[in-house]
Amino acid sequence: EIVMTQSPATLSVSPGERATLSCRASQSVSSNLAWYQQKPGQAPRLLIYGASTRAIGIPARFSGSGSGTEFTLTISSLQSEDFAAYYCQEYNNWPPEYTFGQGTKLEIK
Amino acid sequence: QVQLQESGPGLVKPSETLSLTCTVSGGSLSSYSWSWIRQPPGKGLEWIGCIYHSGSTNSNPSLKSRVTISVDTSKSQFSLKLRSVTAADTAVYYCARVPTVDYYDSSGYYPLVVAGMDVWGQGTTVTVSS
Repeated sequence: EIVMTQSPATLSVSPGERATLSCRASQSVSSNLAWYQQKPGQAPRLLIYGASTRAIGIPARFSGSGSGTEFTLTISSLQSEDFAAYYCQEYNNWPPEYTFGQGTKLEIK
Repeated sequence: QVQLQESGPGLVKPSETLSLTCTVSGGSLSSYSWSWIRQPPGKGLEWIGCIYHSGSTNSNPSLKSRVTISVDTSKSQFSLKLRSVTAADTAVYYCARVPTVDYYDSSGYYPLVVAGMDVWGQGTTVTVSS
């Protein structure tokens, strides 16, 4: 069983500043990792797949990095609409588990 | 532009079967794989299961014995059945599109997810209560 651990659970950052969110896998998932953004009352939205490829329509201020077990989502200059919950998800193993991390809530400082 | 819409009863009694349908519009059902994901109130996301474009299915080991996922291409729909529900199954249920590619080796067939879950429905709330 793969465990995905996100840190921190809550991150307080001021608008305009940089936010760095972490995701750690209990075993290697290669680059088979996605990041999602979820605002209250809304469905998750795919931001990043393949650890570092932005999904269609995602602004360049969102970037992903990492491989193996350590991954990072960076938001370079926070806009008001970026304050939300963020989840990582692996899609590496077979049989699949497609495990999500427990999420990081990004809040306004 | 592909859109997904979940539908089904909002209230299910304990021990009964939860049945949901996801209708896909604006795109082809057969070209992709499709998943169900749920989110209990105030908690994170949990993958339930997937039906691949080959027709094969897989589900979360923690739910496997209770989950059935099927597809009806004539209606552009795929469905979830979750048997023997309890209060712990109360959640918002989402359907999502999953781009996959087929991989074959000496061990068999593996549908490989290539881009996460790229299109989601808006979600439907299901409460399990008598």
